[in-house]
Formats: sequence, C-alpha cells, structure tokens
Amino acid sequence: DAGVIQSPRHEVTEMGQEVTLRCKPISGHNSLFWYRQTMMRGLELLIYFNNNVPIDDSGMPEDRFSAKMPNASFSTLKIQPSEPRDSAVYFCASSSPPGTDTQYFGPGTRLTVL
Amino acid sequence: GQQVMQIPQYQHVQEGEDFTTYCNSSTTLSNIQWYKQRPGGHPVFLIQLVKSGEVKKQKRLTFQFGEAKKNSSLHITATQTTDVGTYFCAGPGSNDYKLSFGAGTTVTVRA
Repeated sequence: DAGVIQSPRHEVTEMGQEVTLRCKPISGHNSLFWYRQTMMRGLELLIYFNNNVPIDDSGMPEDRFSAKMPNASFSTLKIQPSEPRDSAVYFCASSSPPGTDTQYFGPGTRLTVL
Repeated sequence: GQQVMQIPQYQHVQEGEDFTTYCNSSTTLSNIQWYKQRPGGHPVFLIQLVKSGEVKKQKRLTFQFGEAKKNSSLHITATQTTDVGTYFCAGPGSNDYKLSFGAGTTVTVRA
C-alpha cells in the first residue's frame, strides 16, 4: 500500500503565481481532507470531500483557494494568486467512512511564497 | 462547535522521566484518537479510544479515555529521544466525516 501520495513535496514560488498541489488518496478511501499547518495557527482543516463531493469548505481562507476532486483517486488544491502568508505545509489525508475513522496523512507539500 | 483543547502546549522532559499530556473536549465524544507528528513529518495515527474509562497501552505509552468521555490523557514513561514530536488528540467534529484536532503538545527531550 503506497499510502497517501502528495506532489510536489516542496514548492517555492513568487507572490502572484498560481500554485497547484496534488493528492492521491489511499485506494478505497471515500473521504479526503486538505489541511494547512503553520506554527502560528497549527493544523487547520481547509476542506473535505466525501465520495468526490465537497462536504464542507468553511475552512478555505478566501476565494483565492479552490479545491477539486474529479475522481476517487485524485484531488487538487489551487491557490491563485498566491501570497507570502500562504506559506505553510499543506497535508492531504484520507479515511474510509462511515464515521470518523482513522485519517491517513500524506507527507505534505511545503509551500514557500516569496 | 465542538472544540478539543490540549495542555500543555510544550513539554520539555529529561530523558528517562515520565510525563502526561491532556486533552479536553467541550462536548461528549463518541471516540478520541491520538496522532504523533515527528519533526518534519506528518501526523501518524497512534490509537483510538471508544469506551468510557478505556485504557490502552502501547509499550511505554498509556492512553486513557475519561469516564464522561470528555477528556483523555497520554502518559509516557521513561521518555526516550524517539518520543520527540507533537502529539495531537482528535475527536469527531460536527458530523461523522471530520475530526477536530487539538493544538498538540510538542515534546522535546533533554539527553
């Protein structure tokens, strides 16, 4: 089992550029979560999907952030335009419903916006 | 909404000593989970507690779920350098799909 796969692992970009983070959940998992982690704010849930449908995006900080899950094996988190305050580690996690089963986290993408 | 609070935020421990970190919820939880994140790593599931008063052990780690199912604790005995990291507790959120994570307890160990 490959676990949750995220790419890229590191991303350095300049302010104003578009950034796309990618995630492949564990096969068979129906729920997918995007988190952001910073020293100041800790681990924040941005959005989660169930069966490819966004259930709650109340954690998405603003309209510059968008997420999609076109199929059960792929999700993207896009930031356009990026800002220095978006610098953080972004984690994708998946779990298998029903209920709040164990979440399996990917290795994360460390984003730096200059 | 449901909130999970953890104390202390930081724990500096002498190698070989014991320590405990605590997790408290504003509401009754159906279960509580604990995760560990090593420096530079990602959160990794450790254990889930479901029953009132439940106690589970993993080697030197002892996890407990309170009788009222509103609090939990993680006790580590004879701390080792491998215990370094941030320990998160997490409880069910406002629906069955998501977890509400505490802020974590970051543990450092003095050799």
